[in-house]
Amino acid sequence: NAGVTQTPKFQVLKTGQSMTLQCAQDMNHNSMYWYRQDPGMGLRLIYYSASEGTTDKGEVPNGYNVSRLNKREFSLRLESAAPSQTSVYFCASSGVAMGTDTQYFGPGTRLTVL
Amino acid sequence: AQKITQTQPGMFVQEKEAVTLDCTYDTSDPSYGLFWYKQPSSGEMIFLIYQGSYDQQNATEGRYSLNFQKARKSANLVISASQLGDSAMYFCAMRRTSYDKVIFGPGTSLSVIP
Repeated sequence: NAGVTQTPKFQVLKTGQSMTLQCAQDMNHNSMYWYRQDPGMGLRLIYYSASEGTTDKGEVPNGYNVSRLNKREFSLRLESAAPSQTSVYFCASSGVAMGTDTQYFGPGTRLTVL
Repeated sequence: AQKITQTQPGMFVQEKEAVTLDCTYDTSDPSYGLFWYKQPSSGEMIFLIYQGSYDQQNATEGRYSLNFQKARKSANLVISASQLGDSAMYFCAMRRTSYDKVIFGPGTSLSVIP
């Protein structure tokens, strides 16, 4: 049982390059999320998906696109990376386990845009 | 709109003492959930405890308990018998209903002093 996995763990891009961050969960959760965390700050929601086939914008969606490929996988794409997108990106999934609502996070992707 | 406030940017506590980390929230929805997470210097997000708005009792999980005061819209985290390994950032978060987005507060940095 791996929980939430993310790839890659580290990435360096040049301005204007594109990339996709991959996320998968094996807990059969319906809801999945992408957050970014800038140095010394809390997490800001980029996009979320309440169920397979649906996605919604969070607080900071500009410059990003997402795909909920199936129940397990939720990817985040940067079409044209900018230095302002340098951040740590976390994927999370949530569901109810033993009567308790829980949200589990992946290990994060540290992205640097030069 | 939802909002989470954590007014203590930094806290210090003596080892083996108890500490309370404050969290207040703002929502007009009757049904919501509150979460606390720990983020050590290694960067991972660790789920600690959950409280539902309709739960009659305060949530507890080992040394963690949540002091939930619904009328005051506060959900303070209490850590009993602090340990050196408790030194970390602590984030309070809220979700209005199942499958809705989760938003985070700015966090509190806790340092445990030997």
